Amino acid sequence: DAMVIQNPRYQVTQFGKPVTLSCSQTLNHNVMYWYQQKSSQAPKLLFHYYDKDFNNEADTPDNFQSRRPNTSFCFLDIRSPGLGDAAMYLCATSPRREGGTQYFGPGTRLLVL
Amino acid sequence: AQTVTQSQPEMSVQEAETVTLSCTYDTSENNYYLFWYKQPPSRQMILVIRQEAYKQQNATENRFSVNFQKAAKSFSLKISDSQLGDTAMYFCAFMNYGGSQGNLIFGKGTKLSVKP
Repeated sequence: DAMVIQNPRYQVTQFGKPVTLSCSQTLNHNVMYWYQQKSSQAPKLLFHYYDKDFNNEADTPDNFQSRRPNTSFCFLDIRSPGLGDAAMYLCATSPRREGGTQYFGPGTRLLVL
Repeated sequence: AQTVTQSQPEMSVQEAETVTLSCTYDTSENNYYLFWYKQPPSRQMILVIRQEAYKQQNATENRFSVNFQKAAKSFSLKISDSQLGDTAMYFCAFMNYGGSQGNLIFGKGTKLSVKP
């Protein structure tokens, strides 16, 4: 089945230690999104890629970076995680930005010690 | 800026009964998209139903239907014949039409519990 896969499902890191979260898709969608979802809150968009074009949200901290080496993969890098970065990170894909339905992965829960 | 409000943080319903989840939004745009997403406990978020604002007819998907009131900026979700598997967090979301981002703006969610 075509799907969005996120690895790992759970990630524990130490305060200030860089961490990378991974997302892959078999849907061949042009657009990939990263959302941060804190406990009992709505998902908040961090950034997205439209093909190779990177689009950062204005209020996304500089501590968060992303890479998309090819259509299938997208990575979220947190350069120096703080306690406030503990959250669920959701990856989503869409065939198009304009009105496209977004398909979500299962998420990676990040814990910062 | 667009905002989405879900005024019911939690709801419960008996199995086989009908429940309606509320959503209102604020926008100055005339064309946009609206979505309901479902996020079951420890499972991934999936699309329940979507509505294009230019369509007057309310969207339906099996047991799920919406009541889209454009003038009132209201987009409620009705779940008929509730099943235990409907237990989940439900998010209402807005997407602007013609935007360059395809950005979904989510409400805070309604936690629905279906009781046997």
